[in-house]
Amino acid sequence: GAVVSQHPSRVICKSGTSVKIECRSLDFQATTMFWYRQFPKKSLMLMATSNEGSKATYEQGVEKDKFLINHASLTLSTLTVTSAHPEDSSFYICSAAMAGGSYNEQFFGPGTRLTVL
Amino acid sequence: DAKTTQPPSMDCAEGRAANLPCNHSTISGNEYVYWYRQIHSQGPQYIIHGLKNNETNEMASLIITEDRKSSTLILPHATLRDTAVYYCIVTNDMRFGAGTRLTVKP
Repeated sequence: GAVVSQHPSRVICKSGTSVKIECRSLDFQATTMFWYRQFPKKSLMLMATSNEGSKATYEQGVEKDKFLINHASLTLSTLTVTSAHPEDSSFYICSAAMAGGSYNEQFFGPGTRLTVL
Repeated sequence: DAKTTQPPSMDCAEGRAANLPCNHSTISGNEYVYWYRQIHSQGPQYIIHGLKNNETNEMASLIITEDRKSSTLILPHATLRDTAVYYCIVTNDMRFGAGTRLTVKP
């Protein structure tokens, strides 16, 4: 089956620093990747849709200058949380749609837990 | 807002069938219904999907109403390991609703 990995799985950083999270499709090429965040006991909230080689489309209320998304290749998308603050502490999850496959079929990564001190 | 609504929680006895409903009354003709589940602190796990016809795989069955405005996920013999939050989504949207927290009890 299609596998999506995220790195790191867990990160702790100081307030004001930037953190990069990688999302990789390991055995398939992904034209579209999605980024979600999830607060404790809450559902996944879609942050942005990332297409390879183009700018990401952000959901309303998500600051594009704070959450920088790069989708430079068909197997890698990165989310950088810039100038992180404690309120950015959350569980960040990516998913990927297979190139040439149905847009509908998403494969999810295991998530990255960010803690900002 | 998500295009799906689900009951917030359900209980099921171990070994019995768990029937999880989902309303998606604004679904478009080309949108699939996908079901995922999430166990604490993990990424969502794919369960099953469908467009119009009922579907079955090794994990579950999916019953979609004829008008496609609702569906039901069936776990035929629930086990304790099926305790999780279950989400249905429609695929042109990719937004998750609150999901249903299923608790399987011994």
